[in-house]
Amino acid sequence: EPEVTQTPSHQVTQMGQEVILRCVPISNHLYFYWYRQILGQKVEFLVSFYNNEISEKSEIFDDQFSVERPDGSNFTLKIRSTKLEDSAMYFCASCPQRSTNQPQHFGDGTRLSIL
Amino acid sequence: AQSVTQLGSHVSVSEGALVLLRCNYSSSVPPYLFWYVQYPNQGLQLLLKYTTGATLVKGINGFEAEFKKSETSFHLTKPSAHMSDAAEYFCAVSYSSGNTPLVFGKGTRLSVIA
Repeated sequence: EPEVTQTPSHQVTQMGQEVILRCVPISNHLYFYWYRQILGQKVEFLVSFYNNEISEKSEIFDDQFSVERPDGSNFTLKIRSTKLEDSAMYFCASCPQRSTNQPQHFGDGTRLSIL
Repeated sequence: AQSVTQLGSHVSVSEGALVLLRCNYSSSVPPYLFWYVQYPNQGLQLLLKYTTGATLVKGINGFEAEFKKSETSFHLTKPSAHMSDAAEYFCAVSYSSGNTPLVFGKGTRLSVIA
């Protein structure tokens, strides 16, 4: 069964550095998402992306964050000038089409540790 | 605004016993409801979903959930727990269509005792 793949599985970065988290959504999917889960807290929505633009974003997704689909397969989340509180598990998800019956498929996540 | 409350951050059951994980939601529009499971060091895997129609939905691995509008609940059950069911379970809600962002509960860690 096709899967959403995320790399790396674990990223360790110094505070203030930029980090790029990568995702390869399922190939025929059209909607893409990033979520994060701070340790011990709930999974939170960051941003959704459709037709090469952001379709919705949460208040967490401030100017520090950006997303990009640089080619036909990758979907990236960039965090500029990382902060300690950015340490979390980041999940990418994708969805095939605008249909009420299609669930979001999640990757295994990238654990981001900011030192 | 949508929200999800999962009662009990940790539930422990004996192997073969009934599993009941509670989820209550609030939504100003008809909700779409989901249960996801997360095994250690893995991503979120869809267990089951409710969109419209039959309120009792069956998912993978013998799990099922019932949408009760009057109680704003979507509790997850399994008649007989197996050791392999030990994982973190997340209830989630979305609005309008399945493509809109998911709002998750805090999760319930299920332990199964031999």
